[in-house]
Amino acid sequence: GAGVSQSPRYKVAKRGQDVALRCDPISGHVSLFWYQQALGQGPEFLTYFQNEAQLDKSGLPSDRFFAERPEGSVSTLKIQRTQQEDSAVYLCASSPGQGETQYFGPGTRLLVL
Amino acid sequence: KQEVTQIPAALSVPEGENLVLNCSFTDSAIYNLQWFRQDPGKGLTSLLLIQSSQREQTSGRLNASLDKSSGRSTLYIAASQPGDSATYLCAVGTGNQFYFGTGTSLTVIP
Repeated sequence: GAGVSQSPRYKVAKRGQDVALRCDPISGHVSLFWYQQALGQGPEFLTYFQNEAQLDKSGLPSDRFFAERPEGSVSTLKIQRTQQEDSAVYLCASSPGQGETQYFGPGTRLLVL
Repeated sequence: KQEVTQIPAALSVPEGENLVLNCSFTDSAIYNLQWFRQDPGKGLTSLLLIQSSQREQTSGRLNASLDKSSGRSTLYIAASQPGDSATYLCAVGTGNQFYFGTGTSLTVIP
């Protein structure tokens, strides 16, 4: 595709609700990253995939957060039992390979009420 | 854990001025460093990527330098324009993870 796309762009969830955020990386990109960006802060690393393998999930803040990329392309970030502190922008980035330029999607803005 | 700091947090300059944005990091064992710009409500746009073996990269009016030993990178913007107004973020790559600074908010006044 032309770039990284994410859906939905905006999500309002009630506290306790489960949400799923989707990322479509650039076609052929091996590496995929998820970040969480709080207001006024830089993005914080959540997890990294190389193809379908999740090589690093050390940034996931709790076991309520789960990410997958089953076919090495589209990825989904799932947050179970959302809490107010989960409110943030969730950014996805892909790159052709490790150590190469990252290309970011527009993000999903999540608001938990 | 890698700590990344960007100074200044905000900068306002008149159009046409040259300027320098600073990024410092605590652990010199890095793979690469990438500079991004972020417009309000938007994702990040890559500006320059410097590999750990490189000293600088240039693209148009932008020049980024990297000094691994001192844990510093600078982004030089020549002849600034109002369209350069955005938040500039640096990200330090250490293997699978990237650590971001909190950014410098730049305003170029026409």
